[in-house]
Amino acid sequence: DTGVSQNPRHKITKRGQNVTFRCDPISEHNRLYWYRQTLGQGPEFLTYFQNEAQLEKSRLLSDRFSAERPKGSFSTLEIQRTEQGDSAMYLCASSFTALRQTLGTEAFFGQGTRLTVV
Amino acid sequence: RKEVEQDPGPFNVPEGATVAFNCTYSNSASQSFFWYRQDCRKEPKLLMSVYSSGNEDGRFTAQLNRASQYISLLIRDSKLSDSATYLCVVNYRMGTQGAQKLVFGQGTRLTINP
Repeated sequence: DTGVSQNPRHKITKRGQNVTFRCDPISEHNRLYWYRQTLGQGPEFLTYFQNEAQLEKSRLLSDRFSAERPKGSFSTLEIQRTEQGDSAMYLCASSFTALRQTLGTEAFFGQGTRLTVV
Repeated sequence: RKEVEQDPGPFNVPEGATVAFNCTYSNSASQSFFWYRQDCRKEPKLLMSVYSSGNEDGRFTAQLNRASQYISLLIRDSKLSDSATYLCVVNYRMGTQGAQKLVFGQGTRLTINP
């Protein structure tokens, strides 16, 4: 399977604990996005990487959230001191866009990590 | 005002009917537009890219109106398998480093009834 892979698929954690999710994008995709989705809502943008550079971070992302893409391949999203409001589906997506291409290309999503904070 | 707005529905239509969704966006710098489909508890999957001249793929037709900043999706001869949530997506560049942002609407839920 050469699609976007996310691990774990499900995570249940106690409030106050730290959690880390991993995303392996489609090989050679230079762009990687993290989204959060709650029931009845569309995916909400969290952050965006172009290769290893984190170029955009949502204002909604508090200091408890951090994301990395150290070698421009896989990415991790860490949530520190989890709160019940962090319970959601965390989706990762990747795409490839050539350097001088101005139009965006479609993104492909992983199956997500469902986080439940109890 | 939300960056991308959709009528959340739900839309309940009989099999074989034609159904249309509209979506409006607020950022006039938006450059690319897509419709994604999301089944219950699954990830979003690309349904169609939306080109400025409008495009058709089988029973699905997408149109873009840049002047009015809206995108539409038409589904003809709807099938039971079309039941899903349809997400309108707008892509635009930010800043000078080429960062791009895909912004999703909240989705329109469609149920096709036999």
